[in-house]
Amino acid sequence: SQKIEQNSEALNIQEGKTATLTCNYTNYSPAYLQWYRQDPGRGPVFLLLIRENEKEKRKERLKVTFDTTLKQSLFHITASQPADSATYLCALHRGTYKYIFGTGTRLKVLA
Amino acid sequence: EPEVTQTPSHQVTQMGQEVILRCVPISNHLYFYWYRQILGQKVEFLVSFYNNEISEKSEIFDDQFSVERPDGSNFTLKIRSTKLEDSAMYFCASSEGTSGETQYFGPGTRLLVL
Repeated sequence: SQKIEQNSEALNIQEGKTATLTCNYTNYSPAYLQWYRQDPGRGPVFLLLIRENEKEKRKERLKVTFDTTLKQSLFHITASQPADSATYLCALHRGTYKYIFGTGTRLKVLA
Repeated sequence: EPEVTQTPSHQVTQMGQEVILRCVPISNHLYFYWYRQILGQKVEFLVSFYNNEISEKSEIFDDQFSVERPDGSNFTLKIRSTKLEDSAMYFCASSEGTSGETQYFGPGTRLLVL
């Protein structure tokens, strides 16, 4: 069955450093991979989308890579700030109306 | 900026009761979704809806669940006979298209079944 794993449940980093979050998947060939941010008690908020034929996407301090051979996406936040502290979710999608979410990584940026 | 809204924000019900969760998607969106998130767990897909019919549903979405778009703006999720394990946060989402389009999520309804 399809499986999506995000590298760790929690990640603590110092303010100003680059946070790198991992999303690995098996038994699936997504056409699109999305990253969302979720704050406690709130709905996910879309951040970035990357297509299967794209290697990298950037938006301000965010960068996403997508390696379909490794079945992995990396999500980077550069110059991290305490306000970046949240849970980050990856979600996969291919040609259907169904999005599959990963377990999420809880990021804490320490001041 | 347009947003997805959901009501109520919290709902407490007795086991076996019916509940209806309501959502107002973004007005020009065509695809609608319900997800649930049990406390501390991942966001799980329940159902997607397009053109007044279910497009896809997960194994969670059994006969106890139904969805409806009763008018041009509302999108509802009904749970006929709630169980304790239905306690979760329920999120509605909408998107313009389905080819990897951005999904916009509502704030959620926290359902507690006693």
